[in-house]
Amino acid sequence: DTAVSQTPKYLVTQMGNDKSIKCEQNLGHDTMYWYKQDSKKFLKIMFSYNNKELIINETVPNRFSPKSPDKAHLNLHINSLELGDSAVYFCASSQDLPSASGNEQFFGPGTRLTVL
Amino acid sequence: GDSVTQMEGPVTLSEEAFLTINCTYTATGYPSLFWYVQYPGEGLQLLLKATKADDKGSNKGFEATYRKETTSFHLEKGSVQVSDSAVYFCALRERGQNFVFGPGTRLSVLP
Repeated sequence: DTAVSQTPKYLVTQMGNDKSIKCEQNLGHDTMYWYKQDSKKFLKIMFSYNNKELIINETVPNRFSPKSPDKAHLNLHINSLELGDSAVYFCASSQDLPSASGNEQFFGPGTRLTVL
Repeated sequence: GDSVTQMEGPVTLSEEAFLTINCTYTATGYPSLFWYVQYPGEGLQLLLKATKADDKGSNKGFEATYRKETTSFHLEKGSVQVSDSAVYFCALRERGQNFVFGPGTRLSVLP
């Protein structure tokens, strides 16, 4: 069984379009994340979300918005796509305990977004 | 804020060579430390971790020791294989905080 899944795996679209990437985890984790990985493999956290709090990286444009219909899903919606949005987007999840730091994050396989 | 620094890649080795990828960190508290590996076309997966000073994490022949005095968590393997070619990320996490990842180090192992 896939722990963290994302759809689609590849997404090619035109500038100005609106698109969504879906993420689901079946691990029962309470926190989910979205990361952007650029062409040099640098990972940038975009959002972290649990049932209590959404934390937004302040450098993320407000064209990006996470939507969580339930604890197992965190979708990423992107409005008015730009060329610079082309990247690989990773969803991840973890079980967060405020008193611990050792719980790992589990990553999805990634969605390669290409904006033309 | 917290940060992770890794040696710049790419690192190119011959099969069976010894591997070291340096990682140093800056943290305000006592973080857990991680190494993640990303194979081509895949997501990141945990390779090993250590949660306190002097702990050694190990997996698949890779090892790293949490050195608080030098704020380091260097990744080592005695004999690399072509299948180890990937991007390796060092990361830390403090209690109640998000992960902080290093920039990644690309490893290429030639037959």
